[in-house]
Amino acid sequence: QKEVEQDPGPLSVPEGAIVSLNCTYSNSAFQYFMWYRQYSRKGPELLMYTYSSGNKEDGRFTAQVDKSSKYISLFIRDSQPSDSATYLCAMSVGGKLIFGQGTELSVKP
Amino acid sequence: SAVISQKPSRDICQRGTSLTIQCQVDSQVTMMFWYRQQPGQSLTLIATANQGSEATYESGFVIDKFPISRPNLTFSTLTVSNMSPEDSSIYLCSVEDPTSHEQYFGPGTRLTVT
Repeated sequence: QKEVEQDPGPLSVPEGAIVSLNCTYSNSAFQYFMWYRQYSRKGPELLMYTYSSGNKEDGRFTAQVDKSSKYISLFIRDSQPSDSATYLCAMSVGGKLIFGQGTELSVKP
Repeated sequence: SAVISQKPSRDICQRGTSLTIQCQVDSQVTMMFWYRQQPGQSLTLIATANQGSEATYESGFVIDKFPISRPNLTFSTLTVSNMSPEDSSIYLCSVEDPTSHEQYFGPGTRLTVT
C-alpha cells in the first residue's frame, strides 16, 4: 500500500464546474499537507498549505484536511480553462514530501 | 516565497556520461531537497541536502550514482553519474521555508539520455 493515494484521473469538467480532488494517506506522522499545481513542462507550484484538520480557503480554492479519516481534499470553485493542469497532493514529515500520483484536470470552455 | 533557479533547464546526454545540475536560491535556507519525476509519474525524493553535513539518501538512491554537494546556504548541485536511458527524467530541487515549512520547487531540469 502506498503511503499516499490519489486518483490519477484524468478528470474533465466544463468551465464553471466545482472540482473535487482527493487524497488518502496511511502515515499518521504526516504533519503538513500541501497541494501543488503543475503545468506541462513546469515545476510544481504551491497552491495550498495546511497543518491542521479543517478547511482553509484562498480565493476559488479550498483545502480540507480530516486527520481522523486520513483524508485531504482540494475544491476548486468556478473552474476556469486556466486551471487545466496536474494537481498533486503532498504530505510532509521531517521536511520530506511524499507525493500522490497526481490528478490531470482539464477544464473545457 | 523563495525564488529558485536551476541550470541547465534541459539536456540530452549520451549513456555512460555524467551531468551536474545546479540549484540556486535567492535566500539562505537550511534544507534543500532533490526530487526525480519520471515521465508521466509523480515526484520521488532522491535526497535531502543540508549545509555542512552529508546528504541523506532515500531508499533506492545511492551516493555513487547521485552525488550531491551543498557548499553554502543558497546553492546545491546534483550529479547524475554513468547515465543510462532509465535516468531520463525531470530533476527538481526544492527548499523548505524554516518558519512556515512550506516547500517551493525550482523549474526542473529535463534530462534525456540516449
